[in-house]
Amino acid sequence: ETGVTQSPTHLIKTRGQQVTLRCSSQSGHNTVSWYQQALGQGPQFIFQYYREEENGRGNFPPRFSGLQFPNYSSELNVNALELDDSALYLCASSLLTYDTEAFFGQGTRLTVV
Amino acid sequence: DAKTTQPPSMDCAEGRAANLPCNHSTISGNEYVYWYRQIHSQGPQYIIHGLKNNETNEMASLIITEDRKSSTLILPHATLRDTAVYYCIVRVADGNKLVFGAGTILRVKS
Repeated sequence: ETGVTQSPTHLIKTRGQQVTLRCSSQSGHNTVSWYQQALGQGPQFIFQYYREEENGRGNFPPRFSGLQFPNYSSELNVNALELDDSALYLCASSLLTYDTEAFFGQGTRLTVV
Repeated sequence: DAKTTQPPSMDCAEGRAANLPCNHSTISGNEYVYWYRQIHSQGPQYIIHGLKNNETNEMASLIITEDRKSSTLILPHATLRDTAVYYCIVRVADGNKLVFGAGTILRVKS
């Protein structure tokens, strides 16, 4: 039990739609990172938020965006969904941006049809 | 961040030590070696990290070669619950992201 919860656990969307995934971090953790994990691959870094500001981004297009709120919750938004967006989306929270031990949630399995 | 190379899969007998190797020949002086694991249908879990010296915690030991070009994660007494994908990651201390490779699938068998 990491204290990081994600919702929903599973989601099916149609190509072209928009989706919002949610993450509740551990209390006191001011940093949240989002990762995309395609089937059979390791997680890929999407971006990180620190104190409600984006603090680094991976090789993902602008249609992937995020928000972080003062109550330790955060969102990942994906617009104009594509079939290749089907993946497990993971959030990880930590106290500092460079914390060695990031706590991951269970993930949201997104299927785009 | 330097790249890492790990074997795609390994088997280990329950109760025996599991030794998972990782090559990171291009590692820089300020880069740490991290290990995470991911049990099926769960998020990755931090195991251990180190810079130069060998490290041990309640989960595992990390052995880093003197030239720092490779390392080994040791699970001293593997159990069936240790069956997972193990990721070796190299990153700078103040880096803000983890760069995961494909990892090693460890299967612990009774």
